Amino acid sequence: SQTIHQWPATLVQPVGSPLSLECTVEGTSNPNLYWYRQAAGRGLQLLFYSVGIGQISSEVPQNLSASRPQDRQFILSSKKLLLSDSGFYLCAWTMGTRTGELFFGEGSRLTVL
Amino acid sequence: GNSVTQMEGPVTLSEEAFLTINCTYTATGYPSLFWYVQYPGEGLQLLLKATKADDKGSNKGFEATYRKETTSFHLEKGSVQVSDSAVYFCARRPTGNQFYFGTGTSLTVIP
Repeated sequence: SQTIHQWPATLVQPVGSPLSLECTVEGTSNPNLYWYRQAAGRGLQLLFYSVGIGQISSEVPQNLSASRPQDRQFILSSKKLLLSDSGFYLCAWTMGTRTGELFFGEGSRLTVL
Repeated sequence: GNSVTQMEGPVTLSEEAFLTINCTYTATGYPSLFWYVQYPGEGLQLLLKATKADDKGSNKGFEATYRKETTSFHLEKGSVQVSDSAVYFCARRPTGNQFYFGTGTSLTVIP
């Protein structure tokens, strides 16, 4: 069966520090991968998605970046965090069919102080 | 566009009450439609889905019917429980790789 893991689960970082959140999927090949952010009490904002290794689509211009160095690995990064980067970050995957659902990871809570 | 409009919350119900959370979408093509549930501090879990018109998705007592004529996918449950307290998200997937989510509806069920 397929599983998705992301880490760390919780992170407290000072403003201006770097960020790296990692997500891996097991049990499937060539998934579409996604990073969402959920601000407190708000909906989901799509940040990046990827349909293959090295292919990244950015939805929102910001100081975050994403990379997909391997088929089932998706990394969210920042060189310098802002206060507004605080939130709940969710990694997700799906297959490329129209009817497939998104499968979400457990989430990573980032607090920037 | 590709928006999903979801009923504003928060919603507070007594246990065993009937639940409806409205969801409508903009009609472009033939999207698949989903309801997700998010419990506090967790990621989103798929609750149910429907992939074509008139399909009914159902799970754990929840139901939603894909209504193409009204571009709606309302979530219903006949008798809610305290354990149903969570945030519910409606989503659509048009042809392609993107998903579009509603803003979420917070449900609190009180004993």
